[in-house]
Amino acid sequence: EPEVTQTPSHQVTQMGQEVILRCVPISNHLYFYWYRQILGQKVEFLVSFYNNEISEKSEIFDDQFSVERPDGSNFTLKIRSTKLEDSAMYFCASSEGRSSGANVLTFGAGSRLTVL
Amino acid sequence: KQEVTQIPAALSVPEGENLVLNCSFTDSAIYNLQWFRQDPGKGLTSLLLIQSSQREQTSGRLNASLDKSSGRSTLYIAASQPGDSATYLCAVPYNYGQNFVFGPGTRLSVLP
Repeated sequence: EPEVTQTPSHQVTQMGQEVILRCVPISNHLYFYWYRQILGQKVEFLVSFYNNEISEKSEIFDDQFSVERPDGSNFTLKIRSTKLEDSAMYFCASSEGRSSGANVLTFGAGSRLTVL
Repeated sequence: KQEVTQIPAALSVPEGENLVLNCSFTDSAIYNLQWFRQDPGKGLTSLLLIQSSQREQTSGRLNASLDKSSGRSTLYIAASQPGDSATYLCAVPYNYGQNFVFGPGTRLSVLP
């Protein structure tokens, strides 16, 4: 069964460092997303990406965050200068982008980011 | 603003019981509702998607219903098994967009 793959599974970084999280969405999917889940809290939407541009973003997705689809298969999330509060599990997801309501989100296993 | 709540927060049942998980949302401007399963430290697995025009969806022992007008969905699990132990999340889109708002989840433990 097709799956969304994410790397790394766990990254530890120092505060202020740049981090890039990588995702390979399902190949025929058109919408890509990043969500995050701080330990013990809800899953929160960060950004959605369609047709090579951001389609929606949340208040969390400030200037420290950026997304890119550099080569037609990878989808990356960059955090420019990490803060302690960026420590979380980051989930990539993709969907076919059907115009009807039948738009199933398929999630990757997540990348755990620990900022020290 | 879309807000999603789930009750109960946690549930512990003996194997074989039928159970119901509840999800409520404040804004009925949705085109679907999705139920997910999350195992500890893992990603989210889609279980069922109900489109706004549907009232229920079934997959194996799982049945999800949607009452859009009252802002409620239920996930019914029949003949529960220890392997069903996980956190169950519901999610709805915000303002007909691609931004899905998640509930806090119901943590289910099925005891052998």
